[in-house]
Amino acid sequence: AQSVAQPEDQVNVAEGNPLTVKCTYSVSGNPYLFWYVQYPNRGLQFLLKYITGDNLVKGSYGFEAEFNKSQTSFHLKKPSALVSDSALYFCAVRDKDSGYSTLTFGKGTMLLVSP
Amino acid sequence: NAGVTQTPKFQVLKTGQSMTLQCAQDMNHEYMSWYRQDPGMGLRLIHYSVGAGITDQGEVPNGYNVSRSTTEDFPLRLLSAAPSQTSVYFCASSVRGGKSDTQYFGPGTRLTVL
Repeated sequence: AQSVAQPEDQVNVAEGNPLTVKCTYSVSGNPYLFWYVQYPNRGLQFLLKYITGDNLVKGSYGFEAEFNKSQTSFHLKKPSALVSDSALYFCAVRDKDSGYSTLTFGKGTMLLVSP
Repeated sequence: NAGVTQTPKFQVLKTGQSMTLQCAQDMNHEYMSWYRQDPGMGLRLIHYSVGAGITDQGEVPNGYNVSRSTTEDFPLRLLSAAPSQTSVYFCASSVRGGKSDTQYFGPGTRLTVL
């Protein structure tokens, strides 16, 4: 079975400060990892994904994520937060090596950036 | 391209009523799926399709039916609505459903069952 944990329901950060949204995963094989963002009353938008190669993945809107295989983590980061980054963030995983191919989402982390 | 579109945006049903949530995509994607989003539970997969004429169940399929007669459309049917089906429903598509493929989501349908 595959699973994703987002240990923080909410992350608060001041504008201009760095932000981190945490994600850990569990798969039996190697993972494909994704981050999505959901703005209020909108659908999910793709931010970035890790498939293979460089552990640091760069995505949309200045976000990046670091894949750490030993810690089974894929934390989302941004060097300088904007108020407009306030949204709900979802981490998702697929097991690259198993027959189970559907995408499993975490419960989401609300990011609130204060002016 | 309009991407993934969903109708209606909002719907209120009474227990026992039936309805169909519509989903369409104009990207010629083979893979389409339906999720429901409930507070504190993330997104859960209801049904998915890897191509026209092929559908399969996801994590929470009970109470829902799907069909895929064309590449573009993937409607979700509630045959007899229950309050437990109150949720926000998202349709998504990807090129082939490959494990590394990015899924593209529609804007969602907010359903309330009284």
